[in-house]
Amino acid sequence: LAKTTQPISMDSYEGQEVNITCSHNNIATNDYITWYQQFPSQGPRFIIQGYKTKVTNEVASLFIPADRKSSTLSLPRVSLSDTAVYYCLVGGSNAGKSTFGDGTTLTVKP
Amino acid sequence: ETGVTQSPTHLIKTRGQQVTLRCSSQSGHNTVSWYQQALGQGPQFIFQYYREEENGRGNFPPRFSGLQFPNYSSELNVNALELDDSALYLCAGAVANTRELFFGEGSRLTVL
Repeated sequence: LAKTTQPISMDSYEGQEVNITCSHNNIATNDYITWYQQFPSQGPRFIIQGYKTKVTNEVASLFIPADRKSSTLSLPRVSLSDTAVYYCLVGGSNAGKSTFGDGTTLTVKP
Repeated sequence: ETGVTQSPTHLIKTRGQQVTLRCSSQSGHNTVSWYQQALGQGPQFIFQYYREEENGRGNFPPRFSGLQFPNYSSELNVNALELDDSALYLCAGAVANTRELFFGEGSRLTVL
């Protein structure tokens, strides 16, 4: 399984756009990139997933360059409720064996 | 709402005891995975069950065992509890060969 590297923590202010980058140099051809959000004492929640280029849904965008060795989760206009830990996962079709790193703790300030 | 529920939400055990944690997933989730999450760390994969058989295990000893039942429920059993077993235990359901996990809220185990 591809190893991922993310910043340990990030700070932002309400209303700003936040970009969290994940490095995955050993990503395999069949691997997808998935991001999860976790609040304290809760299970992780799926945010977005992609294979290449750009994916957008109602809560976030995911940018993946052509070499796929990194990806960036973009959260538009964050609010205090976006304070959470964000995990980047890289893996194949069996998500149930996913390897989580320690994630990025995002703190949104008023 | 993920459709995955876990019980109990909190429990306290003493070293050497045994514990059973339960998970109920939604219809269609034919795989269930269990994760251990220590404070301040990311979830660590324990094992996955598919069609009631273990289908992969992480770096956990045999005293961690599981069961999956036909009604989309499952159990995680831990024998001979150690202090380091104190953690949040997460259950995740999924459809086989898909890439999205649906997590429960977890069971917080404290071993004294």
